[in-house]
Amino acid sequence: EAGVTQFPSHSVIEKGQTVTLRCDPISGHDNLYWYRRVMGKEIKFLLHFVKESKQDESGMPNNRFLAERTGGTYSTLKVQPAELEDSGVYFCASSRTGGEAKNIQYFGAGTRLSVL
Amino acid sequence: GQQVMQIPQYQHVQEGEDFTTYCNSSTTLSNIQWYKQRPGGHPVFLIQLVKSGEVKKQKRLTFQFGEAKKNSSLHITATQTTDVGTYFCAGKTSYDKVIFGPGTSLSVIP
Repeated sequence: EAGVTQFPSHSVIEKGQTVTLRCDPISGHDNLYWYRRVMGKEIKFLLHFVKESKQDESGMPNNRFLAERTGGTYSTLKVQPAELEDSGVYFCASSRTGGEAKNIQYFGAGTRLSVL
Repeated sequence: GQQVMQIPQYQHVQEGEDFTTYCNSSTTLSNIQWYKQRPGGHPVFLIQLVKSGEVKKQKRLTFQFGEAKKNSSLHITATQTTDVGTYFCAGKTSYDKVIFGPGTSLSVIP
């Protein structure tokens, strides 16, 4: 079973540019989460999809961030325009909705975003 | 708002010493999970605790969930260099939201 995959692994962009991060969850996982870890601090929740619907987007910092999950499969997180404070590691995680392992989140390797 | 706190933020131990990290929530949790992130890696699920007062063991790791379901601890006996990393607790609230603690970074001196 393939794990959660994220692309790209690293992205270096200039302030004002646009970046799109992609996450492919584990097949069959309806729940998909986006998190951000800045400067080695805590893992901050951004949003949660259940299939294609946004269940909770209370962690999205502002309207420069747009997340989509077309067809309930992979998800994209677009930052437009990027600011310096957006730098950090963006993690995606997925989990099942039922069964014994339903609360276990499986994380991707993350995308390290550097905004210069 | 709801918060999950962890102490200590950093811990340096000599190999062979014990290590404990504590996790405290401002609200009652439905469950708590622990994750480990190795340097340069991503969080990896370790365990989930659901019941009040629950204790679970994984080899040298002992996990506890408090009676009030607001705190938890992770204890490592006789640390090894492979234990190095950041340990995160993640509490699930009654609103079905998962909140991660800030993590405890463990360094093990050989």
